[in-house]
Amino acid sequence: DVKVTQSSRYLVKRTGEKVFLECVQDMDHENMFWYRQDPGLGLRLIYFSYDVKMKEKGDIPEGYSVSREKKERFSLILESASTNQTSMYLCASSPTGNYGYTFGSGTRLTVV
Amino acid sequence: QKEVEQNSGPLSVPEGAIASLNCTYSDRGSQSFFWYRQYSGKSPELIMFIYSNGDKEDGRFTAQLNKASQYVSLLIRDSQPSDSATYLCAVIYPGSARQLTFGSGTQLTVLP
Repeated sequence: DVKVTQSSRYLVKRTGEKVFLECVQDMDHENMFWYRQDPGLGLRLIYFSYDVKMKEKGDIPEGYSVSREKKERFSLILESASTNQTSMYLCASSPTGNYGYTFGSGTRLTVV
Repeated sequence: QKEVEQNSGPLSVPEGAIASLNCTYSDRGSQSFFWYRQYSGKSPELIMFIYSNGDKEDGRFTAQLNKASQYVSLLIRDSQPSDSATYLCAVIYPGSARQLTFGSGTQLTVLP
């Protein structure tokens, strides 16, 4: 089974901190994605990547950046955390082709 | 505008009944359709995918696709309380480079 591992299940950070969310997948998938999920707003795509060192903006990239230095790892960076970035963050991966995603278990981030 | 529409519910069915979840999408050229189940506080889990018109069965789950009418549905037979969750419909739109567009989800409750 594909495994997508997110480094933290729960995280509490202070406003203005730089926050790193890590995601690792173990099935050699080309595609990786970062979403946030908020009640009433559904899943919203932040950034995605189809290859090492490649990144594309999703629907809500403002305030975020990403890094993909290795195929298996895709990091989401909150440059200066704000309270409106309190959310559930979900990482996902998929192989090339029209296949569904496999999601990680999610990181619930609270910014105080 | 890429859209995936689902009734938000909540949908309640008695244990043992058939639960019917519906989803419509906006681009007739879409080829790949997915159903995810998400338990409260957990990440989405892929339960079905369908690419061709007609029905696809997997255990108690049946996905139905009608491309002419641009809808996809999920039937859950012999519903169990453990099926209580939010069900997300997702579509890969043409030209979207393998990204899934998600609906907002239908909350299902199976009453014992």
